[in-house]
Amino acid sequence: DAGITQSPRHKVTETGTPVTLRCHQTENHRYMYWYRQDPGHGLRLIHYSYGVKDTDKGEVSDGYSVSRSKTEDFLLTLESATSSQTSVYFCAIRVDRTYNEQFFGPGTRLTVL
Amino acid sequence: AQSVSQHNHHVILSEAASLELGCNYSYGGTVNLFWYVQYPGQHLQLLLKYFSGDPLVKGIKGFEAEFIKSKFSFNLRKPSVQWSDTAEYFCAGYTGNQFYFGTGTSLTVIP
Repeated sequence: DAGITQSPRHKVTETGTPVTLRCHQTENHRYMYWYRQDPGHGLRLIHYSYGVKDTDKGEVSDGYSVSRSKTEDFLLTLESATSSQTSVYFCAIRVDRTYNEQFFGPGTRLTVL
Repeated sequence: AQSVSQHNHHVILSEAASLELGCNYSYGGTVNLFWYVQYPGQHLQLLLKYFSGDPLVKGIKGFEAEFIKSKFSFNLRKPSVQWSDTAEYFCAGYTGNQFYFGTGTSLTVIP
């Protein structure tokens, strides 16, 4: 599993509250990704990072921000959570040396009431 | 825009039946294609990948996929499915530092 952990694994919060999800990797991979998974939509890219302090937007970035101050940590923040952000969030890393394979973390199930 | 599409949303098969799940991609340039499997309550795991060379790619658990450039397709196959193959299957393509996922196919195998 490429040493990827996510925290928390489950979270229930209320509309309007800020939420931060953490992705941690132990193998110093340069590229990290945040996805959300929703029924009928598959996985959609929120943001990704290609190095410390280097990030870019994905397909569904509105309402989300990210930060990467260390190689091993990639944080996803919902500044003011909405019910439409109820989802399962997956972090992934890209392994360059094996032709761009992605390995995924265990996921965080977020419920916004 | 780059995209990956899966046409089968839900497939139900009996054990020992053959499986083929469709996947099409819509971008040019270097083609990196993947199939992932997600068992209930778990994260995505890589089944197989294609980068170049032999268009018939073999993966884990007896799965294989064929890359057909002229059809922009990368269909997943398995000659004989088992109950344990019940899962959701995602096709994905990589280009421009991003991965593009299909919407997934839910496979149910009936014992």
